[in-house]
Amino acid sequence: AQTVTQSQPEMSVQEAETVTLSCTYDTSESDYYLFWYKQPPSRQMILVIRQEAYKQQNATENRFSVNFQKAAKSFSLKISDSQLGDAAMYFCAYRSYSGGGADGLTFGKGTHLIIQP
Amino acid sequence: DSGVTQTPKHLITATGQRVTLRCSPRSGDLSVYWYQQSLDQGLQFLIQYYNGEERAKGNILERFSAQQFPDLHSELNLSSLELGDSALYFCASSEFPYQQGDQPQHFGDGTRLSIL
Repeated sequence: AQTVTQSQPEMSVQEAETVTLSCTYDTSESDYYLFWYKQPPSRQMILVIRQEAYKQQNATENRFSVNFQKAAKSFSLKISDSQLGDAAMYFCAYRSYSGGGADGLTFGKGTHLIIQP
Repeated sequence: DSGVTQTPKHLITATGQRVTLRCSPRSGDLSVYWYQQSLDQGLQFLIQYYNGEERAKGNILERFSAQQFPDLHSELNLSSLELGDSALYFCASSEFPYQQGDQPQHFGDGTRLSIL
């Protein structure tokens, strides 16, 4: 079974600064998908960014980018120019490819991101 | 707005009771997933349905069951409720088939279940 580990229960960053959230995972599969979801106090789950394991290029979405290190099984999220609206729980998630899509997401425990004004 | 609708938003009931949570997926999405978010267990995948058929099971208890109807809405049934079942239950949907590339799962706002 796959596992996802987020080793930082809480992170704090000054507004406009850059912060990196860590995520490692354990799998024996070679093809899979990785995601970062954001959960603000409203408790909605919002997709931030996703990465296909077979793509070497790191995904980027505006101020959000990932550092995907497949050999190290690491998938960190970098948030540039942090804004107050970025304050939330961030979850790293894994999804198997081999199941033909017939698998749910495996989530980490989450990192609580605090933005200091 | 993700387009996934979950009802009710909040549910309060007692131990031993049975409840039904409802989910309407985004228009065009054939696959529905149920997740449980609790303080103890974090976010856990429970079960997936695709076009009316069960596709995958996660950590779903035997007291829980789900189904997906011909109009693609899904219901999660929780019975013999225990205090530990108090949690936020999310429904997510995605487009299938998988062969067209992975479509991300879009989450509803969740149903907060409180067991007294």
